[in-house]
Amino acid sequence: GQNIDQPTEMTATEGAIVQINCTYQTSGFNGLFWYQQHAGEAPTFLSYNVLDGLEEKGRFSSFLSRSKGYSYLLLKELQMKDSASYLCAVMDSNYQLIWGAGTKLIIKP
Amino acid sequence: GAVVSQHPSWVICKSGTSVKIECRSLDFQATTMFWYRQFPKQSLMLMATSNEGSKATYEQGVEKDKFLINHASLTLSTLTVTSAHPEDSSFYICSARDIAAGYNEQFFGPGTRLTVL
Repeated sequence: GQNIDQPTEMTATEGAIVQINCTYQTSGFNGLFWYQQHAGEAPTFLSYNVLDGLEEKGRFSSFLSRSKGYSYLLLKELQMKDSASYLCAVMDSNYQLIWGAGTKLIIKP
Repeated sequence: GAVVSQHPSWVICKSGTSVKIECRSLDFQATTMFWYRQFPKQSLMLMATSNEGSKATYEQGVEKDKFLINHASLTLSTLTVTSAHPEDSSFYICSARDIAAGYNEQFFGPGTRLTVL
């Protein structure tokens, strides 16, 4: 079956760096997405990786290793507004998004 | 950028009534739209894939006669929850695929919170 694993919850301090890991097993691979979702709101797109390596976008970076079925989202210079759930999703061979359960990130002052 | 709207943002209804939720792509054409449901503290669950001009494809366990989907144009898909019950209370989110951007672009609407009394 298809499976996306990510930690349920993480806590970090304002100004620090946090890495959220995601491992996946899917039928086919057409890219991996990271979304941010604040409570009561719809997800917003953060990043897309289809080739191995690191994609940097401001304070956020996303890494992919297809051979390991592994990705991480790196958040630098954490701000209180970064408190949210972070969803990892993989697009399978049918171009369907397979979603992880999300990682709730709590930022403390 | 690509914008997807949903209407209404929230709705409260009595048990047994039907509720229609609209999903519109405002500045792009979407041949495919997706309907998701999200219960509190859970991840998104794909309910169905809606293709313009054809019948929707429902995920296993989703009743097609209860959740009616109509994708009449390249910019509008509707989800009707028929004979709603309290267990249907959830956050419903649509997303749309931008033809011009290719298969790997999917944009989300703001969601509709449904509460069935």
